[in-house]
Amino acid sequence: DQQVKQNSPSLSVQEGRISILNCDYTNSMFDYFLWYKKYPAEGPTFLISISSIKDKNEDGRFTVFLNKSAKHLSLHIVPSQPGDSAVYFCAASDGSARQLTFGSGTQLTVLP
Amino acid sequence: DGGITQSPKYLFRKEGQNVTLSCEQNLNHDAMYWYRQDPGQGLRLIYYSQIVNDFQKGDIAEGYSVSREKKESFPLTVTSAQKNPTAFYLCASSSGQFYGYTFGSGTRLTVV
Repeated sequence: DQQVKQNSPSLSVQEGRISILNCDYTNSMFDYFLWYKKYPAEGPTFLISISSIKDKNEDGRFTVFLNKSAKHLSLHIVPSQPGDSAVYFCAASDGSARQLTFGSGTQLTVLP
Repeated sequence: DGGITQSPKYLFRKEGQNVTLSCEQNLNHDAMYWYRQDPGQGLRLIYYSQIVNDFQKGDIAEGYSVSREKKESFPLTVTSAQKNPTAFYLCASSSGQFYGYTFGSGTRLTVV
């Protein structure tokens, strides 16, 4: 059973608009959440993270929101740029396991 | 420059042969991980190691083997017992203090 789910395999947005990528989780022990960005034939690179003691973390154009009661997090990219086109993975950790559990990814395409 | 190196980038294997994927890091990270990526399935954990000379099975360890004789190195052997080895393989490392991973650029294995 997938503990981290990204239900949208793909998303297309126009350049300059907002991109919203969603992620749901089922394990209430998860206490740290991360987003990774991956280009084809490359390894994922860390984008932004959030601890469960917060509900928002912002870094430039990227903001992650965490709703613990709904077990839901989202990544907002504003404004979206063509270079943001990539696969975005949501990941979660329960700390004690020192492992990350990844979602299946969402392919974001930003149209010029 | 510190980083994590996977080699080779592309690898072809005949059915019935074992093949070893290399992963080396100079980040002084204690933990190392192997993931497999298949289309639409995200990243699935094969094996991980949190200290030298110790490793644990992940979710899909069958048909794979690893060793961790040095802190810097965590090679993955894909054995002939792995029924569907064609995939993109990613190695990662982590210091454990911050729950993010640093990924290598991956090895694409194709069985011919």
